[in-house]
Amino acid sequence: KQEVTQIPAALSVPEGENLVLNCSFTDSAIYNLQWFRQDPGKGLTSLLLIQSSQREQTSGRLNASLDKSSGRSTLYIAASQPGDSATYLCAVRSTPGGGYNKLIFGAGTRLAVHP
Amino acid sequence: DTEVTQTPKHLVMGMTNKKSLKCEQHMGHRAMYWYKQKAKKPPELMFVYSYEKLSINESVPSRFSPECPNSSLLNLHLHALQPEDSALYLCASSQFSTGGEQTQYFGPGTRLLVL
Repeated sequence: KQEVTQIPAALSVPEGENLVLNCSFTDSAIYNLQWFRQDPGKGLTSLLLIQSSQREQTSGRLNASLDKSSGRSTLYIAASQPGDSATYLCAVRSTPGGGYNKLIFGAGTRLAVHP
Repeated sequence: DTEVTQTPKHLVMGMTNKKSLKCEQHMGHRAMYWYKQKAKKPPELMFVYSYEKLSINESVPSRFSPECPNSSLLNLHLHALQPEDSALYLCASSQFSTGGEQTQYFGPGTRLLVL
Protein backbone atom coordinates (compact mmCIF):
# COMPACT_ATOMS: atom_id res chain seq x y z
CA LYS A 1 0.00 0.00 0.00
CA GLN A 2 1.40 3.37 -1.07
CA GLU A 3 2.03 5.83 1.75
CA VAL A 4 3.20 9.40 1.36
CA THR A 5 4.94 11.29 4.14
CA GLN A 6 5.83 14.96 4.25
CA ILE A 7 8.42 16.51 6.51
CA PRO A 8 8.29 18.90 8.25
CA ALA A 9 4.62 19.15 9.16
CA ALA A 10 4.99 22.87 9.76
CA LEU A 11 7.64 25.44 8.99
CA SER A 12 8.01 29.11 9.90
CA VAL A 13 10.71 31.17 8.21
CA PRO A 14 11.61 34.82 7.75
CA GLU A 15 11.05 36.39 4.38
CA GLY A 16 13.86 35.88 1.89
CA GLU A 17 14.99 32.45 3.05
CA ASN A 18 15.46 29.56 0.67
CA LEU A 19 13.67 26.48 1.92
CA VAL A 20 13.17 22.82 1.15
CA LEU A 21 10.06 20.75 1.68
CA ASN A 22 10.41 16.98 1.70
CA CYS A 23 8.13 14.23 0.46
CA SER A 24 8.73 10.49 0.62
CA PHE A 25 6.73 7.57 -0.70
CA THR A 26 6.93 3.87 0.02
CA ASP A 27 6.28 2.34 -3.40
CA SER A 28 8.53 3.54 -6.20
CA ALA A 29 6.11 2.28 -8.89
CA ILE A 30 4.54 5.66 -9.56
CA TYR A 31 3.45 7.39 -12.75
CA ASN A 32 4.17 10.88 -11.54
CA LEU A 33 4.40 13.14 -8.53
CA GLN A 34 2.60 16.42 -8.15
CA TRP A 35 3.10 19.32 -5.75
CA PHE A 36 0.06 21.37 -4.82
CA ARG A 37 -0.51 24.53 -2.86
CA GLN A 38 -3.59 24.98 -0.71
CA ASP A 39 -4.59 28.21 0.97
CA PRO A 40 -6.78 27.92 4.08
CA GLY A 41 -10.28 26.74 3.21
CA LYS A 42 -9.51 26.78 -0.50
CA GLY A 43 -9.00 24.27 -3.26
CA LEU A 44 -5.72 22.89 -4.55
CA THR A 45 -3.50 24.68 -7.03
CA SER A 46 -1.11 22.50 -8.98
CA LEU A 47 2.44 23.85 -8.78
CA LEU A 48 4.60 21.26 -10.49
CA LEU A 49 4.15 17.83 -12.02
CA ILE A 50 7.12 15.51 -12.41
CA GLN A 51 6.74 12.43 -14.58
CA SER A 52 8.38 9.24 -13.35
CA SER A 53 10.99 9.51 -16.11
CA GLN A 54 11.98 13.04 -15.11
CA ARG A 55 14.37 14.22 -12.43
CA GLU A 56 13.15 17.75 -11.86
CA GLN A 57 10.79 20.51 -12.89
CA THR A 58 11.09 24.25 -12.43
CA SER A 59 8.57 27.05 -12.36
CA GLY A 60 9.73 30.50 -11.34
CA ARG A 61 11.10 30.35 -7.81
CA LEU A 62 10.00 26.72 -7.41
CA ASN A 63 12.06 23.67 -8.23
CA ALA A 64 10.90 20.13 -7.60
CA SER A 65 13.12 17.09 -7.82
CA LEU A 66 12.26 13.42 -7.94
CA ASP A 67 14.38 10.41 -7.01
CA LYS A 68 12.01 7.58 -7.75
CA SER A 69 14.36 4.78 -6.76
CA SER A 70 14.74 6.16 -3.25
CA GLY A 71 11.12 7.27 -3.01
CA ARG A 72 11.84 10.94 -2.43
CA SER A 73 10.93 14.34 -3.79
CA THR A 74 11.86 17.80 -2.65
CA LEU A 75 10.26 21.15 -3.34
CA TYR A 76 12.73 24.01 -3.23
CA ILE A 77 11.38 27.52 -2.79
CA ALA A 78 13.85 30.31 -3.44
CA ALA A 79 13.69 33.72 -1.80
CA SER A 80 10.51 33.00 0.12
CA GLN A 81 7.82 35.69 0.38
CA PRO A 82 4.87 36.15 2.77
CA GLY A 83 2.58 35.29 -0.14
CA ASP A 84 4.10 31.82 -0.18
CA SER A 85 2.40 31.07 3.13
CA ALA A 86 0.11 28.09 2.54
CA THR A 87 -0.02 24.34 2.93
CA TYR A 88 2.02 22.43 0.39
CA LEU A 89 0.80 18.96 -0.52
CA CYS A 90 2.71 16.26 -2.30
CA ALA A 91 0.74 13.60 -4.19
CA VAL A 92 1.85 10.53 -6.12
CA ARG A 93 -0.09 8.89 -8.87
CA SER A 94 -0.12 5.15 -8.42
CA THR A 95 -2.01 2.32 -9.99
CA PRO A 96 -3.60 0.11 -7.39
CA GLY A 97 -5.45 -3.03 -8.36
CA GLY A 98 -8.06 -2.41 -11.05
CA GLY A 99 -5.85 -0.31 -13.30
CA TYR A 100 -7.20 3.12 -12.54
CA ASN A 101 -4.93 5.94 -11.48
CA LYS A 102 -5.21 7.27 -7.98
CA LEU A 103 -3.67 10.32 -6.37
CA ILE A 104 -2.34 9.58 -2.90
CA PHE A 105 -1.61 12.65 -0.85
CA GLY A 106 0.76 13.38 1.96
CA ALA A 107 -0.52 15.25 4.99
CA GLY A 108 1.14 18.47 3.84
CA THR A 109 3.63 21.01 5.14
CA ARG A 110 2.12 24.21 6.57
CA LEU A 111 4.44 27.04 5.64
CA ALA A 112 4.41 30.47 7.25
CA VAL A 113 6.72 33.15 5.85
CA HIS A 114 6.86 36.20 8.10
CA PRO A 115 8.05 39.66 7.05
CA ASP B 1 -9.11 27.59 -19.62
CA THR B 2 -7.99 25.24 -16.84
CA GLU B 3 -10.79 26.05 -14.46
CA VAL B 4 -12.99 23.72 -12.46
CA THR B 5 -15.91 25.48 -10.83
CA GLN B 6 -17.91 24.31 -7.83
CA THR B 7 -21.16 25.53 -6.34
CA PRO B 8 -22.09 26.40 -3.71
CA LYS B 9 -18.97 27.66 -1.95
CA HIS B 10 -20.52 27.06 1.46
CA LEU B 11 -23.40 24.85 2.53
CA VAL B 12 -25.06 24.33 5.90
CA MET B 13 -27.56 21.52 6.16
CA GLY B 14 -29.44 19.56 8.77
CA MET B 15 -29.21 15.82 9.06
CA THR B 16 -32.64 15.36 7.42
CA ASN B 17 -32.00 17.67 4.47
CA LYS B 18 -31.31 16.74 0.86
CA LYS B 19 -28.82 18.92 -0.97
CA SER B 20 -26.56 18.71 -4.00
CA LEU B 21 -23.06 19.87 -4.79
CA LYS B 22 -22.21 20.81 -8.36
CA CYS B 23 -18.98 20.75 -10.31
CA GLU B 24 -18.30 21.89 -13.86
CA GLN B 25 -15.36 21.86 -16.23
CA HIS B 26 -15.06 22.88 -19.87
CA MET B 27 -11.62 21.47 -20.64
CA GLY B 28 -12.98 18.46 -22.47
CA HIS B 29 -11.80 16.18 -19.68
CA ARG B 30 -13.35 12.72 -19.58
CA ALA B 31 -12.48 11.91 -15.97
CA MET B 32 -13.95 13.65 -12.95
CA TYR B 33 -13.40 13.05 -9.27
CA TRP B 34 -14.89 13.82 -5.88
CA TYR B 35 -12.59 14.17 -2.88
CA LYS B 36 -13.37 14.78 0.78
CA GLN B 37 -10.97 16.76 2.92
CA LYS B 38 -11.27 17.06 6.68
CA ALA B 39 -9.53 19.92 8.48
CA LYS B 40 -5.74 19.62 8.45
CA LYS B 41 -5.93 16.30 6.62
CA PRO B 42 -5.09 15.45 3.01
CA PRO B 43 -7.85 14.97 0.43
CA GLU B 44 -9.30 11.48 0.23
CA LEU B 45 -10.73 10.11 -2.97
CA MET B 46 -14.45 9.29 -2.93
CA PHE B 47 -15.53 8.66 -6.54
CA VAL B 48 -14.06 8.53 -10.03
CA TYR B 49 -16.11 8.99 -13.18
CA SER B 50 -14.73 8.06 -16.54
CA TYR B 51 -16.67 8.87 -19.70
CA GLU B 52 -19.69 9.73 -17.54
CA LYS B 53 -19.71 6.31 -15.92
CA LEU B 54 -18.85 5.58 -12.32
CA SER B 55 -15.52 3.77 -12.33
CA ILE B 56 -14.58 3.84 -8.70
CA ASN B 57 -16.46 4.14 -5.43
CA GLU B 58 -13.99 4.15 -2.55
CA SER B 59 -16.45 2.46 -0.17
CA VAL B 60 -18.36 5.70 0.34
CA PRO B 61 -21.61 5.49 2.38
CA SER B 62 -24.79 5.52 0.32
CA ARG B 63 -25.88 8.84 1.83
CA PHE B 64 -23.47 10.28 -0.79
CA SER B 65 -24.78 9.73 -4.30
CA PRO B 66 -22.74 10.92 -7.28
CA GLU B 67 -24.14 11.70 -10.70
CA CYS B 68 -22.54 12.68 -13.99
CA PRO B 69 -25.29 14.06 -16.26
CA ASN B 70 -22.85 14.89 -19.07
CA SER B 71 -19.14 15.13 -19.73
CA SER B 72 -18.89 18.62 -18.22
CA LEU B 73 -20.95 18.22 -15.08
CA LEU B 74 -20.56 16.25 -11.90
CA ASN B 75 -23.01 16.32 -9.02
CA LEU B 76 -22.86 14.95 -5.51
CA HIS B 77 -26.27 14.38 -3.93
CA LEU B 78 -26.38 14.45 -0.16
CA HIS B 79 -29.05 12.91 2.04
CA ALA B 80 -29.27 12.10 5.74
CA LEU B 81 -25.73 13.21 6.42
CA GLN B 82 -24.04 13.05 9.79
CA PRO B 83 -22.12 15.84 11.55
CA GLU B 84 -18.89 13.94 10.90
CA ASP B 85 -19.50 14.44 7.17
CA SER B 86 -18.71 18.12 7.61
CA ALA B 87 -15.67 18.77 5.41
CA LEU B 88 -14.37 20.48 2.30
CA TYR B 89 -15.57 18.62 -0.79
CA LEU B 90 -13.28 18.99 -3.74
CA CYS B 91 -13.99 18.22 -7.36
CA ALA B 92 -11.23 17.52 -9.84
CA SER B 93 -10.90 16.57 -13.48
CA SER B 94 -8.26 15.13 -15.76
CA GLN B 95 -8.15 14.26 -19.42
CA PHE B 96 -8.51 10.56 -18.72
CA SER B 97 -8.71 8.39 -15.60
CA THR B 98 -5.95 6.03 -16.73
CA GLY B 99 -2.56 6.63 -18.22
CA GLY B 100 0.45 8.16 -16.53
CA GLU B 101 0.67 11.65 -17.92
CA GLN B 102 -2.36 13.08 -16.23
CA THR B 103 -2.68 16.27 -14.26
CA GLN B 104 -5.69 16.65 -12.05
CA TYR B 105 -7.19 20.12 -11.91
CA PHE B 106 -9.04 20.95 -8.73
CA GLY B 107 -11.96 23.23 -8.04
CA PRO B 108 -12.11 25.60 -5.07
CA GLY B 109 -14.27 23.23 -3.08
CA THR B 110 -17.56 23.37 -1.22
CA ARG B 111 -17.29 23.74 2.54
CA LEU B 112 -20.08 21.67 4.05
CA LEU B 113 -21.33 21.93 7.60
CA VAL B 114 -23.84 19.36 8.84
CA LEU B 115 -25.76 20.34 11.95
